Amino acid sequence: DGGITQSPKYLFRKEGQNVTLSCEQNLNHDAMYWYRQDPGQGLRLIYYSQIVNDFQKGDIAEGYSVSREKKESFPLTVTSAQKNPTAFYLCASKSLLKISEAFFGQGTRLTVV
Amino acid sequence: AQSVTQPDIHITVSEGASLELRCNYSYGATPYLFWYVQSPGQGLQLLLKYFSGDTLVQGIKGFEAEFKRSQSSFNLRKPSVHWSDAAEYFCAVGEGAGSGNTGKLIFGQGTTLQVKP
Repeated sequence: DGGITQSPKYLFRKEGQNVTLSCEQNLNHDAMYWYRQDPGQGLRLIYYSQIVNDFQKGDIAEGYSVSREKKESFPLTVTSAQKNPTAFYLCASKSLLKISEAFFGQGTRLTVV
Repeated sequence: AQSVTQPDIHITVSEGASLELRCNYSYGATPYLFWYVQSPGQGLQLLLKYFSGDTLVQGIKGFEAEFKRSQSSFNLRKPSVHWSDAAEYFCAVGEGAGSGNTGKLIFGQGTTLQVKP
């Protein structure tokens, strides 16, 4: 089945550690996105990519990094510079060739321990 | 600036009652509008979307929404709520297709729906 897969579902990070969240899609979508969700704040855009080997900062990119080496994959690294990383992270993808909706993965809950 | 406002953070309705969730947007160009639903700990599922044409759009699970350009609103409605509708609902506005289109979505803060037996 076509869709977006995020892994792991739960992730625990120690202080000072970098961690990487995986996002893979087999929908042949050009664009991929990372959103952060905190209670009462909706979804905020971290990074997005419209094409392989290119990506742009969203509204809250500080402390995060991404790569887009393959069309199917858009991993997000939460670095030690992110001071408050505990949140729910959602990956999405979308076709840019037509007006359409974004499709979301099931999310990764990151907790600092 | 582009923005989406969902005035109601939390709504409680009785099972079988009607439901309306409000959404107001601020967007300079033609808006493409979406409603998504999220169950706890899950991703977002599309309920319905408006791109053009008929301003009353039908979605899944018996939901509908009406686009009112004069009021900059896209309110979500359901005639009779079921207990399984309890979830968080997000309104979003997005860019369309074409050159320079990033496909980014701007989300409202979300409305949590509680359903009483």
